Amino acid sequence: DIQMTQSPSSLSASVGDRVTITCRASQGISNYLAWYQQKPGKVPKLLIYAASTLQSGVPSRFSGSGSGTDFTLTISSLQPEDVATYYCQKYNSAPRELTFGGGTKVEIK
Amino acid sequence: QLQLQESGPGLVKPSETLSLTCTVSGGSISSSSYYWGWIRQPPGKGLEWIGSIYYSGSTYYNPSLKSRVTISVDTSKNQFSLKLSSVTAADTAVYYCASLYSSSWLVSWGQGTLVTVSS
Repeated sequence: DIQMTQSPSSLSASVGDRVTITCRASQGISNYLAWYQQKPGKVPKLLIYAASTLQSGVPSRFSGSGSGTDFTLTISSLQPEDVATYYCQKYNSAPRELTFGGGTKVEIK
Repeated sequence: QLQLQESGPGLVKPSETLSLTCTVSGGSISSSSYYWGWIRQPPGKGLEWIGSIYYSGSTYYNPSLKSRVTISVDTSKNQFSLKLSSVTAADTAVYYCASLYSSSWLVSWGQGTLVTVSS
């Protein structure tokens, strides 16, 4: 089974800071990776799919990159409304299994 | 815009079977573009994929839960369902249903329903 490891597990940054979250796959997964944002008490929301494609309506300060085993989610200028836990998720074509990373909690300093 | 809504008991006794249904509106569950999935989140913890189904009935399960999970689809009602057998307290979680674009990323989510396993 392919494992997904996120780092850090939590971070605290100031408004306007550039924030980077890393997701590492235990085996290569090409660009089969999505990122989600879950605000406290809310439903997860799709931010990015195919490693770097921004979902419609998501602010452009969010971006994703990577391929193979190493991926990053970047918030170019952290805003108060970005306080949330962020999850990566890999998907396969065969077998059609999904695996989430453990999550990264982002707070405002 | 797809909308999904979970329904089912909020309390299940240990060793019994958890049963939930997801009703899809704003689109057809028979769409060739989407799979349909269940995801859960224990209180204070991360997300766990349970399994997915295509409108044809093809199913894909998390290997760690496969022996206890059954997901089915009812295209006439635009619904799909989850059954999880032999539940324990470790199965207490918020259960979400969601649409998956081409069995890949989760596009639309239900609001989630908390299921507590307790006697």
